[in-house]
Amino acid sequence: GQSLEQPSEVTAVEGAIVQINCTYQTSGFYGLSWYQQHDGGAPTFLSYNALDGLEETGRFSSFLSRSDSYGYLLLQELQMKDSASYFCAVKLVRGNTPLVFGKGTRLSVIA
Amino acid sequence: EAQVTQNPRYLITVTGKKLTVTCSQNMNHEYMSWYRQDPGLGLRQIYYSMNVEVTDKGDVPEGYKVSRKEKRNFPLILESPSPNQTSLYFCASRRQGADGYTFGSGTRLTVV
Repeated sequence: GQSLEQPSEVTAVEGAIVQINCTYQTSGFYGLSWYQQHDGGAPTFLSYNALDGLEETGRFSSFLSRSDSYGYLLLQELQMKDSASYFCAVKLVRGNTPLVFGKGTRLSVIA
Repeated sequence: EAQVTQNPRYLITVTGKKLTVTCSQNMNHEYMSWYRQDPGLGLRQIYYSMNVEVTDKGDVPEGYKVSRKEKRNFPLILESPSPNQTSLYFCASRRQGADGYTFGSGTRLTVV
């Protein structure tokens, strides 16, 4: 089976930095994605890592260590609008294949 | 506007009454997929399609059917809905070679 573990909830203060971890045990691994979902909304794509290292996109960064089967999403300069659920998702093989999603981390940003 | 369109957004139906949730994308994406989202379980894949006339089962296909007769459309069919299919459903699509998926706005289905 496939297993992706992420914390269920995280709370952080506006303006701070927060890291959301994801560890995976899957039958294959080609890349790790992150998605954001606001309450009542659709998931939206944030980032994708296929290689080890850090990818930066504005206030958001994503990191991958394939040897540790581990990745994280880093959110800097937190804003109230960042309150949402964040999902990591593994692409199992190359090509047009499904994603396996984690159960999500609910981030609450407080003043 | 590039988008994935699902209809209906909300649906309440009775057990056993066949229904179809439509999904259409205007981005010429090869890949389309259906997910269901339940509290505490995240997103679980129902079916996916890599191109026209090519479909395959995901993790939770029981009780669902799909078809991909045209590239833009990927309807989800529940032949005999049951209460355990009450859920929030998302359709998603992706262009071959792209990293991210575009999701539709979701369909909240209640089966009573």
